[in-house]
Amino acid sequence: DQQVKQNSPSLSVQEGRISILNCDYTNSMFDYFLWYKKYPAEGPTFLISISSIKDKNEDGRFTVFLNKSAKHLSLHIVPSQPGDSAVYFCAARYNAGNNRKLIWGLGTSLAVNP
Amino acid sequence: DTEVTQTPKHLVMGMTNKKSLKCEQHMGHRAMYWYKQKAKKPPELMFVYSYEKLSINESVPSRFSPECPNSSLLNLHLHALQPEDSALYLCASSQVVVRRGSYEQYFGPGTRLTVT
Repeated sequence: DQQVKQNSPSLSVQEGRISILNCDYTNSMFDYFLWYKKYPAEGPTFLISISSIKDKNEDGRFTVFLNKSAKHLSLHIVPSQPGDSAVYFCAARYNAGNNRKLIWGLGTSLAVNP
Repeated sequence: DTEVTQTPKHLVMGMTNKKSLKCEQHMGHRAMYWYKQKAKKPPELMFVYSYEKLSINESVPSRFSPECPNSSLLNLHLHALQPEDSALYLCASSQVVVRRGSYEQYFGPGTRLTVT
């Protein structure tokens, strides 16, 4: 059972426009959410995160929004650049003491076209 | 500095070989992780070390043997692997004592392992 879902396997956006990547989760015990970006044959790179007590976090071109009642979060990239083309993973931390596991979505492949 | 380094970058080994993967971080993180990643899939957790002690083993076959010699180093010893073990092996590190909910894990570039 996929507890973190990224329902769009791929997304294509024009350079300069907004990219919106979505993530849904089912477990209300998740208390922290992270977005990672991954290029082929490289390790994931941490992008931005948000605690469940907040509804927005912004870092430069990247903003993450959390709607706790809908169990939904989204990553906005504005403006999108060709170098943003990568696979984006949403991950969630399960709040259980020293639990260090992250639960990952299956990823969304973003293509930013010049 | 948010760098995690891994060696080697690529490794080809036969099913009877013994090899080791190495990981190093100097961020003062006391939690370190091994993940396995197949193409077009998310990282799959294998092991977690916390304060140099194994805290999570995700039912990984014994042909994979982790070791944490000190707070900066993490090894993964490989023996008698199968072709289906071919994958990208990723090391990550994070803080143990979390302040302000900072649970980020920082990943190395990975070792591309091919078992022949």
